[in-house]
Amino acid sequence: GAGVSQSPSNKVTEKGKDVELRCDPISGHTALYWYRQSLGQGLEFLIYFQGNSAPDKSGLPSDRFSAERTGGSVSTLTIQRTQQEDSAVYLCASSLDGDQPQHFGDGTRLSIL
Amino acid sequence: AQSVTQPDIHITVSEGASLELRCNYSYGATPYLFWYVQSPGQGLQLLLKYFSGDTLVQGIKGFEAEFKRSQSSFNLRKPSVHWSDAAEYFCAVGAPGTASKLTFGTGTRLQVTL
Repeated sequence: GAGVSQSPSNKVTEKGKDVELRCDPISGHTALYWYRQSLGQGLEFLIYFQGNSAPDKSGLPSDRFSAERTGGSVSTLTIQRTQQEDSAVYLCASSLDGDQPQHFGDGTRLSIL
Repeated sequence: AQSVTQPDIHITVSEGASLELRCNYSYGATPYLFWYVQSPGQGLQLLLKYFSGDTLVQGIKGFEAEFKRSQSSFNLRKPSVHWSDAAEYFCAVGAPGTASKLTFGTGTRLQVTL
């Protein structure tokens, strides 16, 4: 597709379960980013990929959060043992490289019961 | 650490009126500056960006922004607002030389009355 694609668009899960969120960036974009948007914290940076490596993962809030990117394309954000405070919209963005504007997907709305 | 302040949480304007959304940043040097717009249930759409050069930047949908170094500001303007402009607007900064790891302001929700 033409834009950044994220799936699922909505995810409801029980506290303590693991979840995987997927991001398919714009074709040819080497840089990929994850952000979290929540009512209390606004938009927070989580992690940045250049190719398959993550030079900046400083925003990951705990070791329950991890992300990987394979083939320089699709990325998966995994949250283990989910907590209620993980409820948020998780946004993915991509850019041609780390020095170009970021283009965002529509996000995954994660609700932890 | 860099920070972004959007002092107006909520703004209401009449359709056809002019608009200015404020953004102030704190950073040791001139950062990369961006304005994004978000409609309900949607991701963020880039309106415009400032990297260097001309301090008046033109964007999409008739928006413009002016970078003022002396005031550490990057205010967004539109001369005549349309009802479809109702959305949330975010100012963001990135470290000079790289657009990675954006820091966002808290956003300004724009309501347009007919």
